[in-house]
Amino acid sequence: GAGVSQSPSNKVTEKGKDVELRCDPISGHTALYWYRQRLGQGLEFLIYFQGNSAPDKSGLPSDRFSAERTGESVSTLTIQRTQQEDSAVYLCASSYSGTGSYEQYFGPGTRLTVT
Amino acid sequence: KQEVTQIPAALSVPEGENLVLNCSFTDSAIYNLQWFRQDPGKGLTSLLLIQSSQREQTSGRLNASLDKSSGRSTLYIAASQPGDSATYLCAVKETSGSRLTFGEGTQLTVNP
Repeated sequence: GAGVSQSPSNKVTEKGKDVELRCDPISGHTALYWYRQRLGQGLEFLIYFQGNSAPDKSGLPSDRFSAERTGESVSTLTIQRTQQEDSAVYLCASSYSGTGSYEQYFGPGTRLTVT
Repeated sequence: KQEVTQIPAALSVPEGENLVLNCSFTDSAIYNLQWFRQDPGKGLTSLLLIQSSQREQTSGRLNASLDKSSGRSTLYIAASQPGDSATYLCAVKETSGSRLTFGEGTQLTVNP
């Protein structure tokens, strides 16, 4: 029973570059979520996947942000033309809806720093 | 729009004390409420999940209660230990939608 894993754990990039963040959910979890946590602020929802479709992407802050998921497995969050305000910890979570609890389990996060 | 508030923002107590962390939410149409702990530089660890039909959940020294009609939850920590030092986050899932809406957390320090 591995938990949710994310890579890389840390990423430093220059303003204007594109970055890809990866999330591996718990095996068998059909739902996957991305959140963002800026320094000193609460967690903000970005996007939700059920399988490989994204019924709720209302939290994506701009069209520079996109995400995809392969089946019920890996998800990638891509940020194009990064800006300094994108600096944050990006957290991924997964859940299994079969029990009806929808309890979300979080990964360790990717700390993104845009210089 | 759902808003979640946690009071206090920070709390410092001596080891051994019992303590209560508070969480309030503005929209009572919730599906469940989760309490998490976050250690510096780490992800979130789920502590307790309370379904909307439940009044409380217990795990070891932790007890969480839910009063959905008044929009409140409390996390009670008994006999606090220095290892309990962390930020505690409360989050609600609404009946419509999938996202969790988080409070800004209570930073707890338990002094030996």
